[in-house]
Amino acid sequence: DSGVTQTPKHLITATGQRVTLRCSPRSGDLSVYWYQQSLDQGLQFLIQYYNGEERAKGNILERFSAQQFPDLHSELNLSSLELGDSALYFCASRADSHTGELFFGEGSRLTVL
Amino acid sequence: GQQLNQSPQSMFIQEGEDVSMNCTSSSIFNTWLWYKQDPGEGPVLLIALYKAGELTSNGRLTAQFGITRKDSFLNISASIPSDVGIYFCAGQLLGTSYGKLTFGQGTILTVHP
Repeated sequence: DSGVTQTPKHLITATGQRVTLRCSPRSGDLSVYWYQQSLDQGLQFLIQYYNGEERAKGNILERFSAQQFPDLHSELNLSSLELGDSALYFCASRADSHTGELFFGEGSRLTVL
Repeated sequence: GQQLNQSPQSMFIQEGEDVSMNCTSSSIFNTWLWYKQDPGEGPVLLIALYKAGELTSNGRLTAQFGITRKDSFLNISASIPSDVGIYFCAGQLLGTSYGKLTFGQGTILTVHP
């Protein structure tokens, strides 16, 4: 158990819909990262938040957005969903130290039909 | 985007055999991480490397940070059935923020009893 909690574990929805994925980082970690894992692209960095502020952006579509709340949990919002958005979405957190070690949650599997 | 070439893509070995896999890139990394992912789970951190030439062990696993800082290697000795899974290398490019990782495509390991 990494200590990172993600909900829901599975989500099935239709094209054009909007979903929200939720993540609670490890106790004490201020940084939250979102990654997407798909068969063709592998694990791709989407976005990072640190103590409520956006810190870095990766290959995140404009239809996707995220935020980190004062209690440090984070939400990833995916809108106008397309078939190609079907993937595993992972949240990870990192200790506030000068290391790059990420600890991943179990992921949310999104299926867009 | 940046690419990490991970090889081999898959390995089929007998229990007790040693395993080697590696990741290479044309870019310089300041951190190398090795993860293992089981079906339906998130990646689990196995080993972290922070210095060129560094050799680090975690039980039967040994990983090395290449001298050129463009590659890394993972060895598993005396494999056992529970070593089955997908192994990913991940690197943090020089000059990028902590946790913004580039992942290899993974090595699928199958161990026959």
